[in-house]
Amino acid sequence: AQSVTQPDIHITVSEGASLELRCNYSYGATPYLFWYVQSPGQGLQLLLKYFSGDTLVQGIKGFEAEFKRSQSSFNLRKPSVHWSDAAEYFCAVGETILTGGGNHLTFGTGTQLKVEL
Amino acid sequence: EPEVTQTPSHQVTQMGQEVILRCVPISNHLYFYWYRQILGQKVEFLVSFYNNEISEKSEIFDDQFSVERPDGSNFTLKIRSTKLEDSAMYFCASRTSGSWDTQYFGPGTRLTVL
Repeated sequence: AQSVTQPDIHITVSEGASLELRCNYSYGATPYLFWYVQSPGQGLQLLLKYFSGDTLVQGIKGFEAEFKRSQSSFNLRKPSVHWSDAAEYFCAVGETILTGGGNHLTFGTGTQLKVEL
Repeated sequence: EPEVTQTPSHQVTQMGQEVILRCVPISNHLYFYWYRQILGQKVEFLVSFYNNEISEKSEIFDDQFSVERPDGSNFTLKIRSTKLEDSAMYFCASRTSGSWDTQYFGPGTRLTVL
């Protein structure tokens, strides 16, 4: 069964500093990988996704992520963090269902990002 | 920008009571999902729904749970007899027809079972 590990529960960075959030996945085939962000009281918003092709994907809000098959990782990065980036970040892997099109997501436990001014 | 909406934002109920959580997916979407997140734990898949039937469900989605699309806009999750362990945030999501089109999530309903 597929699984996702986000080893960092909490991360604190200073505004303007760079950020890397770690994500490791376990999946037998080529994974479909996603990063979502959740601000307090809000739903899960998609930051970026990887299906195939270029292993460095760009997302919204200046985020990017790199798929590394050899390390089973899909780490999220941002070169300069803004105070508004404080939120919870979830990595997810998608499982392809051959019939019915369910295609549900399996999420990691999330990383809570705090930004110090 | 269209968005998924959910009502209520917070529901408090007594153990053993039935609850219905409501979702209005994005209007041209065809696939619908429910996920839940118990406090401090990961977001977990419950069920997916397409063409007026369940297309996939997890082990969590037992006989106490049911889903329905009663009209062209709403998508509901019913828990027949709530248990304390059903207390969680419940998220609805929807997507269009492409296999890996983005799932758009609602803001969630926090269910508290007393």
